[in-house]
Amino acid sequence: DVKVTQSSRYLVKRTGEKVFLECVQDMDHENMFWYRQDPGLGLRLIYFSYDVKMKEKGDIPEGYSVSREKKERFSLILESASTNQTSMYLCASSFSQSRELFFGEGSRLTVL
Amino acid sequence: DQQVKQNSPSLSVQEGRISILNCDYTNSMFDYFLWYKKYPAEGPTFLISISSIKDKNEDGRFTVFLNKSAKHLSLHIVPSQPGDSAVYFCAAPHYQKVTFGTGTKLQVIP
Repeated sequence: DVKVTQSSRYLVKRTGEKVFLECVQDMDHENMFWYRQDPGLGLRLIYFSYDVKMKEKGDIPEGYSVSREKKERFSLILESASTNQTSMYLCASSFSQSRELFFGEGSRLTVL
Repeated sequence: DQQVKQNSPSLSVQEGRISILNCDYTNSMFDYFLWYKKYPAEGPTFLISISSIKDKNEDGRFTVFLNKSAKHLSLHIVPSQPGDSAVYFCAAPHYQKVTFGTGTKLQVIP
């Protein structure tokens, strides 16, 4: 079974704090993704990575950065959290030749 | 620019009846589509897919129809069960990106 694990299910942070969201997958997938889910807006792609140390901007990269130092781990970084970054964050992974994504359980971030 | 749209944010259906969830897309380069199901506080899970070389794909109670000329796809669930109550997303991969729709919340009433 594919397992995508997100480090924190629930986080509460203050405006201006630096936030790290970690994601680990155990299936040797080449591709990894970060999405956020907001009511009425669906899932929006923040960043994705198709290889170690490679990253590509998604549709809403502003205010975020990512790091992929190892194949199995993809981190999302909020340098200075703001209230409009309160959201559900979802990590996903896939093989490079596959179109099916496997998702983690999500990290609910609240920025006060 | 929303390339994948689900115009119905919610749908309520009686148990045993058919649920029809719709999805429209604008990019004619999309050649493969997926449906995902999401329960609250869980990540989305893959449900069913369809390639643009087909106009129908069936898996048990779930059938997806694709109308390329109309750039429209639909997911049919027959018969609907209370456990089907969830948010359903259609998605379109293109190169290494996957674009999702806004989702439809399905409620199946016992």
